[in-house]
Amino acid sequence: GDSVTQMEGPVTLSEEAFLTINCTYTATGYPSLFWYVQYPGEGLQLLLKATKADDKGSNKGFEATYRKETTSFHLEKGSVQVSDSAVYFCALSDRGGNNRLAFGKGNQVVVIP
Amino acid sequence: DTAVSQTPKYLVTQMGNDKSIKCEQNLGHDTMYWYKQDSKKFLKIMFSYNNKELIINETVPNRFSPKSPDKAHLNLHINSLELGDSAVYFCASSQRFMTGANVLTFGAGSRLTVL
Repeated sequence: GDSVTQMEGPVTLSEEAFLTINCTYTATGYPSLFWYVQYPGEGLQLLLKATKADDKGSNKGFEATYRKETTSFHLEKGSVQVSDSAVYFCALSDRGGNNRLAFGKGNQVVVIP
Repeated sequence: DTAVSQTPKYLVTQMGNDKSIKCEQNLGHDTMYWYKQDSKKFLKIMFSYNNKELIINETVPNRFSPKSPDKAHLNLHINSLELGDSAVYFCASSQRFMTGANVLTFGAGSRLTVL
């Protein structure tokens, strides 16, 4: 079935550092891809999305490009802030209509002042 | 106004008890979901309803029974609670068959602790 793989382990970095979180997917057809963010004690919120190959999703300084050739949707931010500390989930949704989102395992990001 | 609201936010109970979590959305969406998040933050879909009809039913014990009285509500009832049921349960909603990518809106979560 459709699945998403995120890099292992938490990510700890200093304020203003460059952030990359890797995400690759396996899917039949052409899924839509998402990044969701979960701040401490809250539910998940959509961060950005892309619906077709070469689309770039962007929001709050974060970007991710839908790469069909490498089946990837890596999340990047050029200069992180302490307020970006959260858990980041990559997800995909097939176009079948059930809106079934397959989530990656999530990456805890900790930004140190 | 909260878009997707869940109650209670915290629930502590003994093994063997029966408990319910309620979810309501005011977004006018026609599809609602329950997800379970374990202690390692892994998210797994449990159920999905579209206009009160069950459309996704993952491999979940029969002790879990969702109920959707109308498309704005999806409640989760759990019988004979076990230690392994301890988790955060998230309700979400979306509008099915929208053009482009369908986005889920999540509630804040209900943390269930079984002692």
